[in-house]
Amino acid sequence: QVQLVESGGGVVQPGRSLRLSCAASGFTFSDYAMHWVRQAPGKGLDWVAIISYDGSNKYYADSVKGRFTISRDNSKKTLYLQMDSLRAEDTAVYFCVREMYNKIYFDNWGQGTLVTVSS
Amino acid sequence: QSALTQPASVSGSPGQSITISCTGTSSDVGGYNYVSWYQQHPGKAPKLMIYDVNNRPSGVSNRFSGSKSGDTASLTISGLQAEDEADYYCSSYTRSSTRVFGGGTKLTVL
Repeated sequence: QVQLVESGGGVVQPGRSLRLSCAASGFTFSDYAMHWVRQAPGKGLDWVAIISYDGSNKYYADSVKGRFTISRDNSKKTLYLQMDSLRAEDTAVYFCVREMYNKIYFDNWGQGTLVTVSS
Repeated sequence: QSALTQPASVSGSPGQSITISCTGTSSDVGGYNYVSWYQQHPGKAPKLMIYDVNNRPSGVSNRFSGSKSGDTASLTISGLQAEDEADYYCSSYTRSSTRVFGGGTKLTVL
């Protein structure tokens, strides 16, 4: 079965960096576009970024453009999110999400990893 | 990249039907048939309920249906059940090749 397991969350000071990872299993990782979606405590879902199946195309939400970088290593079946210049408003649970093959919807979600930006 | 507009809350009694709206623009909801809906129970990851405006994944009850008119998409739940109580989010593809969510709607089953 499809499994997406995020890691790398924690408490970080404003202005510092953090890298999230998402280990994928149960499917051919290199065939699928992948996303990061976040959810601030008690708030709604907020789309962050997408990377194409081969890493050649990447798009970001305006709120993170220039600060966050999405990447992937298909040989390791792992998705990454490098987060720089973190702000208090980046505090959220970050979900790793698979996009259905050749479709435009999210079909599998990880359980999320909590990032807290606080001094 | 403004969030799609959803009502903050809706409610209904068991057996009744409710509809949740999701309003965007011609650059997202109105421009593409790529609207999807997700159900989220507290502390859980979201679950896909509807994709491509009006398609149900296998395993999702046929009590859930979707539609779209212009810049507004809708999710209808008929025959409300207690387990339907959850938060619901719409999502759309955008002209910029990004994705956008609605603000979410809390469904209360009275």
